[in-house]
Amino acid sequence: GAVVSQHPSRVICKSGTSVKIECRSLDFQATTMFWYRQFPKQSLMLMATSNEGSKATYEQGVEKDKFLINHASLTLSTLTVTSAHPEDSSFYICSARSRGLWDNEQFFGPGTRLTVL
Amino acid sequence: AQSVTQLDSHVSVSEGTPVLLRCNYSSSYSPSLFWYVQHPNKGLQLLLKYTSAATLVKGINGFEAEFKKSETSFHLTKPSAHMSDAAEYFCVVRPSGTYKYIFGTGTRLKVLA
Repeated sequence: GAVVSQHPSRVICKSGTSVKIECRSLDFQATTMFWYRQFPKQSLMLMATSNEGSKATYEQGVEKDKFLINHASLTLSTLTVTSAHPEDSSFYICSARSRGLWDNEQFFGPGTRLTVL
Repeated sequence: AQSVTQLDSHVSVSEGTPVLLRCNYSSSYSPSLFWYVQHPNKGLQLLLKYTSAATLVKGINGFEAEFKKSETSFHLTKPSAHMSDAAEYFCVVRPSGTYKYIFGTGTRLKVLA
């Protein structure tokens, strides 16, 4: 149990386009989902936290108009990188938790590698 | 502020020798602590977690960690390294009363034949 998937696993796009990344909890209802960004050979940086049905809470320094997060259902959250530029190239990882279950542990998706040309 | 310090950015060991990856944390009362492993271009895999039960925690693949409150440490160990253990390891703290994870900067483990 507690499986989180991400789609796509890898995406290459041209500068100026928008890219949507999906994060799904496959076998549980995720009351909270998290989006992280990881630069090469660095640690994970929390970008934002989203609760189902409400607006995402962004960490300091993360542009909410640049990284649109939607958590429309208890099993799906999406991250849209708008007007992507090469500096947005990174590894994006989502995680999910279910309030009150598994001691609030986060379960991580496999990540999405974004390359902006 | 809560934080996690992984004392070594790189560790190299020979295959068959013990592994020690160090982690210290600063946190409020009774944090939860985790170790994750990340292989190249892969997501995170949970190795083990401490959530206020036994202080010596056994995880997958022969790894274990000991929570030492007096030293604010949660070092990861394995008696005998395998080539497949070569990866990036992250120590993570979740302060009591929150659900946010704070990641350490990671330790890259290299296993020499």
